[in-house]
Amino acid sequence: DVKVTQSSRYLVKRTGEKVFLECVQDMDHENMFWYRQDPGLGLRLIYFSYDVKMKEKGDIPEGYSVSREKKERFSLILESASTNQTSMYLCASSKSQEIYGYTFGSGTRLTVV
Amino acid sequence: SQQGEEDPQALSIQEGENATMNCSYKTSINNLQWYRQNSGRGLVHLILIRSNEREKHSGRLRVTLDTSKKSSSLLITASRAADTASYFCATDAMIYNQGGKLIFGQGTELSVKP
Repeated sequence: DVKVTQSSRYLVKRTGEKVFLECVQDMDHENMFWYRQDPGLGLRLIYFSYDVKMKEKGDIPEGYSVSREKKERFSLILESASTNQTSMYLCASSKSQEIYGYTFGSGTRLTVV
Repeated sequence: SQQGEEDPQALSIQEGENATMNCSYKTSINNLQWYRQNSGRGLVHLILIRSNEREKHSGRLRVTLDTSKKSSSLLITASRAADTASYFCATDAMIYNQGGKLIFGQGTELSVKP
């Protein structure tokens, strides 16, 4: 069964910490995405990548960075976590979204205290 | 930037009834997709309809697309308690030309009571 795996289900971090959220897919997909999901705001795109070492800003990139050193792994980095980054973070991947859509991971619920 | 908006925000029905959710969007699209999310989990792809299609079926799901009105509807027939979830529409807007980023609406929360 194809999978997108997010390393943590729940995470609690302190304000100012550097936080790494990891996402790994085993489907050889070129495209990977990071969204955050908040009540009343739906899913908002943070960053995406269409190839190794390539990244593009989404709609809300401020306070985040990403790394894609290998095709299967796309990491989201919170350089200095703040309480307004408390959210559900969803990673997704696709080979050809216009045919198959996205495959999502189970999500990481991050709380910054 | 929100592209899709679902209506209603919440829907509560009895098992066996049909559930209809609507999605409106703002710009021209390549395709529109519907996803389902069980509480606190990731999203699961349900169905995709292309801009040149008007209707598509998959099991108990029926999706329609009206590009002139920039709207889509998702119909779940003979609903079951297990259909309880949030449903999102997502559009591949033609304004994005780098392989297609999906823009998601805020979702409809469906509750199916046994």
